[in-house]
Amino acid sequence: EAGVVQSPRYKIIEKKQPVAFWCNPISGHNTLYWYRQNLGQGPELLIRYENEEAVDDSQLPKDRFSAERLKGVDSTLKIQPAELGDSAVYLCASTLGARAAKNIQYFGAGTRLSVL
Amino acid sequence: AQSVTQPDIHITVSEGASLELRCNYSYGATPYLFWYVQSPGQGLQLLLKYFSGDTLVQGIKGFEAEFKRSQSSFNLRKPSVHWSDAAEYFCAVGRSRGSQGNLIFGKGTKLSVKP
Repeated sequence: EAGVVQSPRYKIIEKKQPVAFWCNPISGHNTLYWYRQNLGQGPELLIRYENEEAVDDSQLPKDRFSAERLKGVDSTLKIQPAELGDSAVYLCASTLGARAAKNIQYFGAGTRLSVL
Repeated sequence: AQSVTQPDIHITVSEGASLELRCNYSYGATPYLFWYVQSPGQGLQLLLKYFSGDTLVQGIKGFEAEFKRSQSSFNLRKPSVHWSDAAEYFCAVGRSRGSQGNLIFGKGTKLSVKP
């Protein structure tokens, strides 16, 4: 079974440019998470989807970040415009089932973003 | 609010030596607890989890962890470390009450293994 797939693996952009990250969760997993992991830190939740609905986006900086999960499968996270402080690893995770913290989260390899 | 503290930023052990990584949590009820490992350039892989019951849980790769309610701790242990265990380890807590499925992660402990 394929795991969580993220692309690209690496992205280097100049500040003020837009950037997008893509995530394909494990087949059948209806809950999808986007995390940001700053250097030397643990992952921090940006947004959680249950199917196509964003049920928790309280930590998403909405002035420049946006996300979508059309059809409740793949998801895209976008930053426009990017700032120097956005340099981080962006992780996607998925779980089978909704809401319960018992559901194991499976992580992709992440996208490492460098903003110059 | 939930929080997780991993007091050790970086630990170095010799190959074959025992290992203990510390994790303390803050949560008003019995939490769900997890340990994840992250190798360089990789995502996080679940090592083990605790939901309820036996406070000593076994995981993959020979790891185990013990939940101690009185100390609000969930320390990770391994009796004999292998060079391939060098990685970063994250403790995480999930809420056992309410409908949230979110995890709160600690800042991680980087493990280096000396030959």
